[in-house]
Amino acid sequence: DTGVSQDPRHKITKRGQNVTFRCDPISEHNRLYWYRQTLGQGPEFLTYFQNEAQLEKSRLLSDRFSAERPKGSFSTLEIQRTEQGDSAMYLCASSLGFASGSLGSFGNEQFFGPGTRLTVL
Amino acid sequence: AQKVTQAQTEISVVEKEDVTLDCVYETRDTTYYLFWYKQPPSGELVFLIRRNSFDEQNEISGRYSWNFQKSTSSFNFTITASQVVDSAVYFCALSEAGGGTSYGKLTFGQGTILTVHP
Repeated sequence: DTGVSQDPRHKITKRGQNVTFRCDPISEHNRLYWYRQTLGQGPEFLTYFQNEAQLEKSRLLSDRFSAERPKGSFSTLEIQRTEQGDSAMYLCASSLGFASGSLGSFGNEQFFGPGTRLTVL
Repeated sequence: AQKVTQAQTEISVVEKEDVTLDCVYETRDTTYYLFWYKQPPSGELVFLIRRNSFDEQNEISGRYSWNFQKSTSSFNFTITASQVVDSAVYFCALSEAGGGTSYGKLTFGQGTILTVHP
């Protein structure tokens, strides 16, 4: 397995445009997280999927942000009407629960992808 | 609410020196996990260690060692005989261990930039 992958690695867009990022987790991982990291800061949690269900969303995730994980495999994060403040690195991470659908074992390590760096001009 | 503080913004050492990165955390949970991640210049976060709140044994892995002290809510990381390849940003993170509505999300500190000079 090649680990968590994200596409694209870099995205430059103009303010007001929509952008979509993709994350492919490690294949057997049932949990998927999105984080955002701005320069000089640690990553901040955005949202969490258990299989295909989106179970938690941060207040950072405004209504311009939407995330999906159809069929519990890859995930997409869309930002509509981008603003300059959206410029950041968007990180995806996946982890394995004790069993598919189980809510236990949240201490399992999360494996991160390389991130998508978004620049909004 | 959970909080992680890494008071050292930047540390600069010369190769072969030992260096300790500090991490202090706050949580109201009795069961939680602590992590250290390394972020090299390439940008990808690399998992280094996980420690649960019931296990206060210190751990050593090669040149790396971790000191977990629940009494002071600290989880410090020491690199012995540092090398240039250790240069990176290091993050300490905290997550709840299960249940509730946190679902294991990580709360990160601000990171410590470590530069090891040859």
